[in-house]
Amino acid sequence: DGGITQSPKYLFRKEGQNVTLSCEQNLNHDAMYWYRQDPGQGLRLIYYSQIVNDFQKGDIAEGYSVSREKKESFPLTVTSAQKNPTAFYLCASSGDGGPRETQYFGPGTRLLVL
Amino acid sequence: DQQVKQNSPSLSVQEGRISILNCDYTNSMFDYFLWYKKYPAEGPTFLISISSIKDKNEDGRFTVFLNKSAKHLSLHIVPSQPGDSAVYFCAAITGGGNKLTFGTGTQLKVEL
Repeated sequence: DGGITQSPKYLFRKEGQNVTLSCEQNLNHDAMYWYRQDPGQGLRLIYYSQIVNDFQKGDIAEGYSVSREKKESFPLTVTSAQKNPTAFYLCASSGDGGPRETQYFGPGTRLLVL
Repeated sequence: DQQVKQNSPSLSVQEGRISILNCDYTNSMFDYFLWYKKYPAEGPTFLISISSIKDKNEDGRFTVFLNKSAKHLSLHIVPSQPGDSAVYFCAAITGGGNKLTFGTGTQLKVEL
């Protein structure tokens, strides 16, 4: 059945280390999104991609990077430049590239710093 | 600058009663609004939406009301059920915009 998968469920990062969060969808959606959720805060957009090989910065892109080489995949790298990476990361996708389309979310990855 | 605000971080309601979740916004360019529901350790799921050309949209037990002059929307759940216990986020988008702006969420607890 179709959906969005994120892995791993929990991820630990050491100081100065880059880590990559996986997001895969089999919904044949054009648009994909990465959000960050911190306690007591709403979801904040990190990066989004409306088509393959193209992506745009969201509101809090500093310290993160993405790629969109395949329609199904939108990995997020948390670089060492991100000084406060501990958060819950959510990936989403939507149908025709427009955010008014219903966004379907994955189960999330919780990133913790050691 | 929090353009979408949910001022009640939590709400407790008895089963069978009405739950009213509120959301205020400051950007008058927002013209489409959505509600998402989130269980712990899961991603949010879409619940209901409303365009600014309407003032009400209904889907089963869920109704969203929009008051454009007050820049306020609310989600009504009637009757509330224990399975409705979750965090509810409102979100908004401007006309021609390319991203959603989310509120901070309200934790709803429906008690037996």
